[in-house]
Order: sequence, then C-alpha cells, then structure tokens
Amino acid sequence: GENVEQHPSTLSVQEGDSAVIKCTYSDSASNYFPWYKQELGKRPQLIIDIRSNVGEKKDQRIAVTLNKTAKHFSLHITETQPEDSAVYFCAASKSGGYNKLIFGAGTRLAVHP
Amino acid sequence: DSGVTQTPKHLITATGQRVTLRCSPRSGDLSVYWYQQSLDQGLQFLIQYYNGEERAKGNILERFSAQQFPDLHSELNLSSLELGDSALYFCASSVPAGHTGELFFGEGSRLTVL
Repeated sequence: GENVEQHPSTLSVQEGDSAVIKCTYSDSASNYFPWYKQELGKRPQLIIDIRSNVGEKKDQRIAVTLNKTAKHFSLHITETQPEDSAVYFCAASKSGGYNKLIFGAGTRLAVHP
Repeated sequence: DSGVTQTPKHLITATGQRVTLRCSPRSGDLSVYWYQQSLDQGLQFLIQYYNGEERAKGNILERFSAQQFPDLHSELNLSSLELGDSALYFCASSVPAGHTGELFFGEGSRLTVL
C-alpha cells in the first residue's frame, strides 16, 4: 500500500544553521507532496508544497526538492530560527483535493539559540 | 483560524464507552478527512468523505465509523473504547481538485480513555 518514510525522526541544530528533512514515497502515481508544520499542541499547517511537474520550489528560507525517479523529496530550511522548532510532516497523494494525504512519521526539529 | 471547527476539544471517558466527535468543514469545502494522532506519533489517516460519500478508507478500526451529512459536517463515532484509543483526532477539509490541494486542519479533539 501507500507508504511515506521520513528521516530523521529528530533533528537538533544551532540557530542560523540549515536543516534538511528527507522523505521517500512508495506509490509512483503520487504527484502532490506537501509539507506541514505542527507546533506543540497546535494543528498541522501547510508550509510549502510541490507538484510532480516541478523539481524545486522555494519560499523565503524554505525550499523543497523532488526527485521523481528516486521517489524522494526533501525539505530544506536555511538560516534556522528558534521559532522553526516544531514537528514537520511530509506527505504524498495522487492528486490535490480529492485524494487522501499519506503522512510521514514526522521530524521533531529543535533549533537552539 | 483554519475555518474548520471540531467539538469537543477535550473528552475524557472510560473503557467500553462510545463517543462522537464532530467536525464542521470550511465553508465551500466538500471533502472531509479524519486523522488520528497518538502521543508523539504521526498522523494516521482514518477516512475521507466527499460531498456525503465515503471516498477513501485508511486503517480505521471496525469499532470506528464516520459519516458526512447533507450540510457537509461530519461525525466520527468511536465505540467500545480501549485505552489505546486515547489520541488527538483531527478533522481536515479541502477544496475540490484544481486548487492547491491543501488540507485545512481543525484544532483537534483530544480523547482520553481511562
């Protein structure tokens, strides 16, 4: 069945460093790959997404890359700040809107001042 | 505020009991999704409805059921509760395909089974 694996499960960086979280997916028909951020006790919120017709997308300090051949996508956060500390989830689905999102297990990012 | 409303926010009950969680999607959203998040765990997909019809099913236990009503609100029914059912249950809604595909999550219903 559909599966999304996410690594690492925890990540600790110093403020100003970069953080990279990696995900692989099993269903080659997947074509929509969002990333959600969940702060402690809060709901998950979309921070960036990418579709299969694009290899990279950037939004200020956040970027996502996609390698469809390898079925692999990554989240890159540059110049990390303490407020970036949260749990980050990658996800995959076959299309936006109609189809269920399958989430990775999450990465707990801690940014130390 | 995502526009998705979930009630109750917190619920404490005993093993063997039955509870109903309610979700009102964002205005105009036809799809409703239910996810379970156990302590320090990921988001496990339970079930999806689109305009009143079941669209997809995940690892939802037979003791759990859901439905989406004509006014598009949804309810998740959990019965014969066990200690392991304690979790945060999220409802999410989305606009139809052709838009971003973003899921808008409610604040969740935290269920504690004692």
